[in-house]
Amino acid sequence: AQSVTQLDSQVPVFEEAPVELRCNYSSSVSVYLFWYVQYPNQGLQLLLKYLSGSTLVKGINGFEAEFNKSQTSFHLRKPSVHISDTAEYFCAVRRKNQGGKLIFGQGTELSVKP
Amino acid sequence: DGGITQSPKYLFRKEGQNVTLSCEQNLNHDAMYWYRQDPGQGLRLIYYSQIVNDFQKGDIAEGYSVSREKKESFPLTVTSAQKNPTAFYLCASSGGFQETQYFGPGTRLLVL
Repeated sequence: AQSVTQLDSQVPVFEEAPVELRCNYSSSVSVYLFWYVQYPNQGLQLLLKYLSGSTLVKGINGFEAEFNKSQTSFHLRKPSVHISDTAEYFCAVRRKNQGGKLIFGQGTELSVKP
Repeated sequence: DGGITQSPKYLFRKEGQNVTLSCEQNLNHDAMYWYRQDPGQGLRLIYYSQIVNDFQKGDIAEGYSVSREKKESFPLTVTSAQKNPTAFYLCASSGGFQETQYFGPGTRLLVL
């Protein structure tokens, strides 16, 4: 069975500091990987996705993530955060050739302080 | 504008009452999904539909029902059998069943 673990439930950080949000997954088959962002009382917005090719994926709002197959990780990074990045971030996986079912992590709440 | 709309934004349910949440998309997507979000638990799949007039149960379908009579619409009914309905409900769609999912703004359901 697949599972997704986001290792930090809350990450406080000061504005302009770098941040890394950690995501590990377990799966016996190849997967696609996604990061979504959710602002308060809103739906989820796709930040970036890894389907194949380069393991470093760049997304919107200056975020990037690196797929590490040996460590089964897909950590999200940003070199300098803004107050407006305060939101909840979800990592999700989907098995290749197994249809559309997404498995989500529990979420990481990023709080950017001035 | 293309996108996914959900209504209402807030919904109140009395005990024993069925309520229906609306989800409409104008993206011409074949597949649609319903998720439930509870604090600290991420999102869990309730039902999904790969094509019109077809749908399958997700991980937590008990107490819910859906229909898919039109490509653009996928309403979710929360029945009286769902004993803990308070949650944030998110609808999503994708071009095909194996394509990237895009989400609507959500409906928050509260019990009176």
